[in-house]
Amino acid sequence: DGGITQSPKYLFRKEGQNVTLSCEQNLNHDAMYWYRQDPGQGLRLIYYSQIVNDFQKGDIAEGYSVSREKKESFPLTVTSAQKNPTAFYLCASSQGHSNQPQHFGDGTRLSIL
Amino acid sequence: DAKTTQPNSMESNEEEPVHLPCNHSTISGTDYIHWYRQLPSQGPEYVIHGLTSNVNNRMASLAIAEDRKSSTLILHRATLRDAAVYYCILPEGSNTGKLIFGQGTTLQVKP
Repeated sequence: DGGITQSPKYLFRKEGQNVTLSCEQNLNHDAMYWYRQDPGQGLRLIYYSQIVNDFQKGDIAEGYSVSREKKESFPLTVTSAQKNPTAFYLCASSQGHSNQPQHFGDGTRLSIL
Repeated sequence: DAKTTQPNSMESNEEEPVHLPCNHSTISGTDYIHWYRQLPSQGPEYVIHGLTSNVNNRMASLAIAEDRKSSTLILHRATLRDAAVYYCILPEGSNTGKLIFGQGTTLQVKP
């Protein structure tokens, strides 16, 4: 089945450590997105990419980095500069047009040890 | 900031219709209205979207006011599996596809 796969489902980070969250899609979508969700809150946009080898900062990009070397993959690195990384991270993809629905993965829950 | 306003929570009885309202008084002429829902510990799920006229799909119906300043998501027969947070969203107007999520409406469905 076509869809978005995020891994791992749960991730633990030590202080000062960088971690990378995986997001893969087989929907042949041009655009991909990373969101962060804190308890009881809506989603906030971290980074997005409308095409391979190009990406833009969202509303809360500080302490995060991304790459888009392949159309199907959009990994997110949570760096040690992100002082409050504990959250639920969601990846999405769409055909790219603002009126096309976004398809979301099941998320990665990141916690600090 | 989110460009929509929704009630924080609503309740419904199983097998009854549910009408979830959304106000978007600053909507522009080219803004589509999108609805997503999110179950606990899962990613959001697309429900429906529309521009001017009412829209129907297998999940729900979307009724859009004539002045487009409000809309209503209609679940025709609520089931326990419809209990979720429902988000009404206007994608950012720069054609980037960015979705700006507000707090949404938490729908409780009682058996």
